[in-house]
Amino acid sequence: RKEVEQDPGPFNVPEGATVAFNCTYSNSASQSFFWYRQDCRKEPKLLMSVYSSGNEDGRFTAQLNRASQYISLLIRDSKLSDSATYLCVVSSRMDSSYKLIFGSGTRLLVRP
Amino acid sequence: SAVISQKPSRDICQRGTSLTIQCQVDSQVTMMFWYRQQPGQSLTLIATANQGSEATYESGFVIDKFPISRPNLTFSTLTVSNMSPEDSSIYLCSVRTGLNTGELFFGEGSRLTVL
Repeated sequence: RKEVEQDPGPFNVPEGATVAFNCTYSNSASQSFFWYRQDCRKEPKLLMSVYSSGNEDGRFTAQLNRASQYISLLIRDSKLSDSATYLCVVSSRMDSSYKLIFGSGTRLLVRP
Repeated sequence: SAVISQKPSRDICQRGTSLTIQCQVDSQVTMMFWYRQQPGQSLTLIATANQGSEATYESGFVIDKFPISRPNLTFSTLTVSNMSPEDSSIYLCSVRTGLNTGELFFGEGSRLTVL
């Protein structure tokens, strides 16, 4: 079983739609959680951290369920520019440092 | 934040040869990492480049295949040795700055094709 699992998609949605991505992780000792965004042929960039109480940044809402080891990302009012691959990332402490494990990503296509 | 320059940005290489990828950061950073992203896959950590000591490799990656140098706090190299077509991938340098343990800054990647 992969340490971080995501539905690969693609999710093909019209502009203005609401779309949700899910992610599960296997290591119950994982401490921090993040969503990264990767545009085609570009490097990944941090989109947002995921906090236990849930957090929102504009049209983006992230949720964490530690009991179910589940993370979600909700995008409201989708824009064409939201088209990208969204990577679920989990951080675990290994010895004296933190190790980031990347999911394989969920691809989003927003159409006009 | 950090600005990371990687070169080459892409290369096409012959089987059996080696290629060295350079990573230059615009500020001193403690933690530098090398990732691989194979076509259609996510990122896999190859190793952590430690300044002044040997790199720390992840399971499945060895120093003979992926020697790494880290001569100072702003520069690192990754060599892909004795290449085969299975090494065709994007290789990304990344750094962690500050206290946010989840924020990595990435270089634009080096796209390697091995024939």
